[in-house]
Amino acid sequence: GDSVTQMEGPVTLSEEAFLTINCTYTATGYPSLFWYVQYPGEGLQLLLKATKADDKGSNKGFEATYRKETTSFHLEKGSVQVSDSAVYFCALAPLAAGNKLTFGGGTRVLVKP
Amino acid sequence: EAGVAQSPRYKIIEKRQSVAFWCNPISGHATLYWYQQILGQGPKLLIQFQNNGVVDDSQLPKDRFSAERLKGVDSTLKIQPAKLEDSAVYLCASSSPRGGNTIYFGEGSWLTVV
Repeated sequence: GDSVTQMEGPVTLSEEAFLTINCTYTATGYPSLFWYVQYPGEGLQLLLKATKADDKGSNKGFEATYRKETTSFHLEKGSVQVSDSAVYFCALAPLAAGNKLTFGGGTRVLVKP
Repeated sequence: EAGVAQSPRYKIIEKRQSVAFWCNPISGHATLYWYQQILGQGPKLLIQFQNNGVVDDSQLPKDRFSAERLKGVDSTLKIQPAKLEDSAVYLCASSSPRGGNTIYFGEGSWLTVV
């Protein structure tokens, strides 16, 4: 079945550091890929998405590129802020699965001043 | 635009008791989802509705969990009887083709079973 694997946390960084969170997936066909973020005490929010190979999703300084050849969708940000401290989830939705999301286990990111 | 509303936010019950969670999706969203998020894990889909019909309930433990969306708008998720392993956050979400099928989540209902 479909699955998503992302690096385990926590990831602890200093402000203005570069952030990368690795995400790889297994799926039949060409799913849509997503990054969701969960800030403390809040619900999941869509951060960015990509629907086909080589697409780049971007939002709030975060970027991720859909790499079909490596089945990956790594999240990057060039200069993190304390306010980026959250749990980040990679997810996929197969085109033929009625928009059903399969999530990775989440990566907690802590940015220190 | 109001987001997905859920209640209660927090609930503590003893094992073998019952609990119900309520969800009101974003106005006009025909698709409604219930996810279970156990601490330290990613959310797992329990059930998906399209209007008032069930699209996918393959991962819903039907011996103890039930869900309904009678009028195709708000929904209720019930657990009876609860087990310790049901302690989790129950997330409701909704989507619409008009919104590009982006799934919007509520803040969740935190359940602790003791």
